[in-house]
Amino acid sequence: DTGVSQNPRHKITKRGQNVTFRCDPISEHNRLYWYRQTLGQGPEFLTYFQNEAQLEKSRLLSDRFSAERPKGSFSTLEIQRTEQGDSAMYLCASSPRLSQTAQETQYFGPGTRLLVL
Amino acid sequence: AQSVTQPDIHITVSEGASLELRCNYSYGATPYLFWYVQSPGQGLQLLLKYFSGDTLVQGIKGFEAEFKRSQSSFNLRKPSVHWSDAAEYFCAVGRFTSGTYKYIFGTGTRLKVLA
Repeated sequence: DTGVSQNPRHKITKRGQNVTFRCDPISEHNRLYWYRQTLGQGPEFLTYFQNEAQLEKSRLLSDRFSAERPKGSFSTLEIQRTEQGDSAMYLCASSPRLSQTAQETQYFGPGTRLLVL
Repeated sequence: AQSVTQPDIHITVSEGASLELRCNYSYGATPYLFWYVQSPGQGLQLLLKYFSGDTLVQGIKGFEAEFKRSQSSFNLRKPSVHWSDAAEYFCAVGRFTSGTYKYIFGTGTRLKVLA
């Protein structure tokens, strides 16, 4: 168990550019989550995958954001035409599927810190 | 709407002193509660969790938390703080709705430890 990994750890980009982040969950965890954390705030839910299916997207996820999880393994989060307001820490978490869904624990990666200039 | 409140934005304690971080939640059903710690520039590490049973739960690094349904609270405690405990602490409630399991986080409490 190597934990959840995220790449890159840091990304600086200019406004209007596209960026893509990658998350590798703990192996055999079939649930994967993306959160966004802005300065001085707690993480906020963005989207959720069960295996390769994206089951829910937050209203925070504008149409410039897209997430995929091909083959139910790693996931990517892409932001198109970045804006300064997109500057934040993007956190990925994964959890195993248990018989009692509500008792799942999410394990977080180190995050990708995005700065849009 | 469900919410989590951490009323203290910053707390400063001396090394060796006791610590209590407050967390209040608003949730209609039985809450599933978590405390995470985040060091600067890092992701979140799980300290402890409450699902059911004994309302006093033990976690890693000497932390414990007590669930009090009557007060809608899940306060985190440590009897003797170490300098390495300086970090930001987040309380979260797990909410299962519409086939999705999401965490709702508080805004966090930043802990400073004085030598």
